[in-house]
Amino acid sequence: DAGVIQSPRHEVTEMGQEVTLRCKPISGHNSLFWYRQTMMRGLELLIYFNNNVPIDDSGMPEDRFSAKMPNASFSTLKIQPSEPRDSAVYFCASSQTVNYGYTFGSGTRLTVV
Amino acid sequence: AQKITQTQPGMFVQEKEAVTLDCTYDTSDPSYGLFWYKQPSSGEMIFLIYQGSYDQQNATEGRYSLNFQKARKSANLVISASQLGDSAMYFCAMREGGWDDKIIFGKGTRLHILP
Repeated sequence: DAGVIQSPRHEVTEMGQEVTLRCKPISGHNSLFWYRQTMMRGLELLIYFNNNVPIDDSGMPEDRFSAKMPNASFSTLKIQPSEPRDSAVYFCASSQTVNYGYTFGSGTRLTVV
Repeated sequence: AQKITQTQPGMFVQEKEAVTLDCTYDTSDPSYGLFWYKQPSSGEMIFLIYQGSYDQQNATEGRYSLNFQKARKSANLVISASQLGDSAMYFCAMREGGWDDKIIFGKGTRLHILP
């Protein structure tokens, strides 16, 4: 099992550019989560999907952020336009059942300059 | 209001000693789950242990155990015989209800194991 795969691992971009983060969940997992981690705010849930359907996007900071899950094996988190305050580590996680912990990807460290 | 409270931002413990990391939670839902995760300096998030609200016994996984005190809404993580590799950030987390898969994390406790 390859685990949850995120790409890229690191992204440096200029303010105003579009950024797309990618996630491949573990095969058979029916829930997928996007988190953002910063020193100030800790781990924040941005959005999560169940069976490819967005269930709760109340954590998405603003309209610049959007997420999609076109199929069970792929999800994207897009920021357009990016701003320096978006700099953070973005984690994707997937789970099969709520009684087990999520499996997290390695994260994408985003730096917006 | 915070749902998960970890009051110890940082702890220093001598190697081989037992460690207790505190976690209190707030929920009115009778069905919930509690989790602990470890985040070493490399950044990955590692699932350690899970406790369901209806579980009668405290969860254990190797050197990790969860001291679940339901009436106090407390879910402390106990690490026995600490090792240098236990130095990391530890997060307590909670899932409320049955249908909603969402897990909310606390702010974390940074644990330093001293040789």
